Amino acid sequence: AQSVTQLDSQVPVFEEAPVELRCNYSSSVSVYLFWYVQYPNQGLQLLLKYLSGSTLVKGINGFEAEFNKSQTSFHLRKPSVHISDTAEYFCAVSESDMRFGAGTRLTVKP
Amino acid sequence: DAGVIQSPRHEVTEMGQEVTLRCKPISGHNSLFWYRQTMMRGLELLIYFNNNVPIDDSGMPEDRFSAKMPNASFSTLKIQPSEPRDSAVYFCASSLVNNEQFFGPGTRLTVL
Repeated sequence: AQSVTQLDSQVPVFEEAPVELRCNYSSSVSVYLFWYVQYPNQGLQLLLKYLSGSTLVKGINGFEAEFNKSQTSFHLRKPSVHISDTAEYFCAVSESDMRFGAGTRLTVKP
Repeated sequence: DAGVIQSPRHEVTEMGQEVTLRCKPISGHNSLFWYRQTMMRGLELLIYFNNNVPIDDSGMPEDRFSAKMPNASFSTLKIQPSEPRDSAVYFCASSLVNNEQFFGPGTRLTVL
């Protein structure tokens, strides 16, 4: 069965700095990969997804992620963060069902 | 489309009472998922349905929890009897198989 590891539970960063949120997965078959964002008191929203094709995936709000099959990683990046990016970010992998990582809390400070 | 609809948004009940959470998936989606989110345990998959049929309920914590999907447009998650440790935010999500899941706003359950 597939599993997801998010290596950082919390990432503090200053506004306008770059950020990378790390995600590694394990699976025995080809998978679909996702990043979701959860703002306080809200449900999860899709940021971006990798189904096939180009390994660099661009999502909403200036985020992008790169699928690396050899390293079984799908790290999320943004070159310059805003205060409004403060949220919980979840990586997920889908085979027959979807499994979520434990989440990374991104805090953007002024 | 209104997205995934969950009701109620907030529920406060006393220990021992029955609680029923409701979900209306996005029209045309054939998979439905129930999750529980707490600070201690994060986001946990409780059960999911494909074409109204329960596929995996291994995440359902105990026999006090039950879920049904009588038709493609409605699902319930019931807790009977409820306990304080059931306090959490419960999310419903729907999808087309193996594609992105669309989440509802959640039901915040507090069991006193």
